Amino acid sequence: GAVVSQHPSWVICKSGTSVKIECRSLDFQATTMFWYRQFPKQSLMLMATSNEGSKATYEQGVEKDKFLINHASLTLSTLTVTSAHPEDSSFYICSARGTSGPMGADTQYFGPGTRLTVL
Amino acid sequence: KNQVEQSPQSLIILEGKNCTLQCNYTVSPFSNLRWYKQDTGRGPVSLTIMTFSENTKSNGRYTATLDADTKQSSLHITASQLSDSASYICVVSASGGSYIPTFGRGTSLIVHP
Repeated sequence: GAVVSQHPSWVICKSGTSVKIECRSLDFQATTMFWYRQFPKQSLMLMATSNEGSKATYEQGVEKDKFLINHASLTLSTLTVTSAHPEDSSFYICSARGTSGPMGADTQYFGPGTRLTVL
Repeated sequence: KNQVEQSPQSLIILEGKNCTLQCNYTVSPFSNLRWYKQDTGRGPVSLTIMTFSENTKSNGRYTATLDADTKQSSLHITASQLSDSASYICVVSASGGSYIPTFGRGTSLIVHP
């Protein structure tokens, strides 16, 4: 089936450092990728939507200069949390929208998530 | 405003029992509705996807129904297993536009032995 991977699966960093999270669609081309943040026992919150080769569209309240998104190819998107602070500690999940796959057209496939802890 | 509401918020059942989760939505114009299972600390995994013309879809012990007239969907889990303990999320997408799906807050299911 369609697989989306994320790397790293977890990361611990010091306050003020930057962290890059990779999201890859392994067996399909993803024209659109989404980045979500999820706090404990809460629903996924969409941060931004990115289309390959164009600038990401950020949701209201999400700082684009703090959460840098690059979608350089149809199989790779990266999220960089710049100057991370403890309040950025969260579970970050990417998803890729495929136009084909085992669940049919127009389905979002989610990555396994990245647990970020900022000390 | 597009909204997806799920009920109950949490549910505890005994292993082997059946249960039904509900999803009501106001997303318009409707494109599709998906149910996802999210284990703690993991990304959501798609269970079913239904378009406007589909009333029911099964995936093993999971059966989803859709009533597009009343804008309601349900996810029925048969003969529950301990591994069914997870959060179940209803996601509804609108047609056209920028394709930003609307997520429900999820139902947390705990299956006890």
